[in-house]
Amino acid sequence: EVQLLESGGGLVQPGGSLRLSCAASGFAFSNYGMSWVRQAPGKGLEWVAAIDASGGATFHAGSVQGRFTISRDNSNDMLHLQMSSLRAEDTAIYYCAKEGKPMMVVTCFDYWGQGMLVTVSS
Amino acid sequence: QSALTQPASVSGSPGQSITISCTGTSSDVGHYNYVSWYQQHPGKAPKVIIYEVSNRPSGVPDRFSGSKSGDTAFLTISGLQAEDEADYYCGSYTPGTTKFAGGTKVTVL
Repeated sequence: EVQLLESGGGLVQPGGSLRLSCAASGFAFSNYGMSWVRQAPGKGLEWVAAIDASGGATFHAGSVQGRFTISRDNSNDMLHLQMSSLRAEDTAIYYCAKEGKPMMVVTCFDYWGQGMLVTVSS
Repeated sequence: QSALTQPASVSGSPGQSITISCTGTSSDVGHYNYVSWYQQHPGKAPKVIIYEVSNRPSGVPDRFSGSKSGDTAFLTISGLQAEDEADYYCGSYTPGTTKFAGGTKVTVL
């Protein structure tokens, strides 16, 4: 059974940093691209960042470029999102999401974690 | 990059059919056959119900179907059921990114 379990969320002050992690199990993690997708309270989905299966290629949305960094540890089946210079508008539930097909990136997300709330407020 | 466009809300009675549109451009929906649809119930994570325009993952009822014409994709729910009341989002691949629409709230009357 595929499972994605996020951790590391919480309350942080504007300008602060936070690192989200996603523990993956139930599939060959190193064969699949992964993404982070966020959802502000009462709003729609926003793709944040993606990484290919090997970790050699990363992609970030313009809204987080230069502030967030996606990475992965294939030896431990972990996905990470390092967030810095956080702003109030980064407040959202952050989901890690698995790519639907091996070796693809951002074409479809077939499994999602339960989500982790990040609140940026003083 | 502009997001995709969906109607904010659609409603129907049990047993009826409804269709949700998802309009993009010739650079996303119109160019690639990587359009997906996600269903999200309140307080839950999204769930894929259609991928690659018209494919249903195993376990998704066949009353859900997808299609595309030009720059617009469509999700049709035939034989609407109470449990179909949820938010629906379309997403489209563009190189290195995924675009989502703002979501459509489906209400079963």
